[in-house]
Amino acid sequence: QKEVEQNSGPLSVPEGAIASLNCTYSDRGSQSFFWYRQYSGKSPELIMSIYSNGDKEDGRFTAQLNKASQYVSLLIRDSQPSDSATYLCAVPEMDSSYKLIFGSGTRLLVRP
Amino acid sequence: NAGVTQTPKFQVLKTGQSMTLQCAQDMNHNSMYWYRQDPGMGLRLIYYSASEGTTDKGEVPNGYNVSRLNKREFSLRLESAAPSQTSVYFCASSASRGTSNQPQHFGDGTRLSIL
Repeated sequence: QKEVEQNSGPLSVPEGAIASLNCTYSDRGSQSFFWYRQYSGKSPELIMSIYSNGDKEDGRFTAQLNKASQYVSLLIRDSQPSDSATYLCAVPEMDSSYKLIFGSGTRLLVRP
Repeated sequence: NAGVTQTPKFQVLKTGQSMTLQCAQDMNHNSMYWYRQDPGMGLRLIYYSASEGTTDKGEVPNGYNVSRLNKREFSLRLESAAPSQTSVYFCASSASRGTSNQPQHFGDGTRLSIL
């Protein structure tokens, strides 16, 4: 059973729309959650970290965490074609303070 | 502003050859990691080093060895390369100390092809 689940997509949205990316995880004890963006042929880049329930905003990005329901979301407002990438959710591995479990990623396509 | 530096960026090997992938970080991080990513697949952890002087196996360690040379450097060695090891290899580091997980920061990757 995978510990971090993401819809593989592609999620296609028009330019200017809000893109909503979701991630569910299995370990109720997880305390840290991370979103990475990976452009094709490039390495993962950290874009958001969230540690407590609720919303965290950074520019056009908002991370939403709901520990009771065990999901974390990433909203991208005013989506741009340059946001087209694969977005990876990462959650700490159960009983590990060092290892992260990465989801397989959701591919986002922003249509001009 | 280097962060995590990997060398080489590209490499082609013949089956049975050996090579070492190098990784260095300048962020004073304690923990370092090696992942592989195959086309259309997620990241898979090969080995990690929680701190200088320690290394542990990840999800897919067979066919690989690692050395944590010092706090900055963590190398990955393929002793006898096989076509199944054709992949993109990422090194990452984090400030995780065993009390709480910190994000990992990735190098640019090494694209390795084994013929």
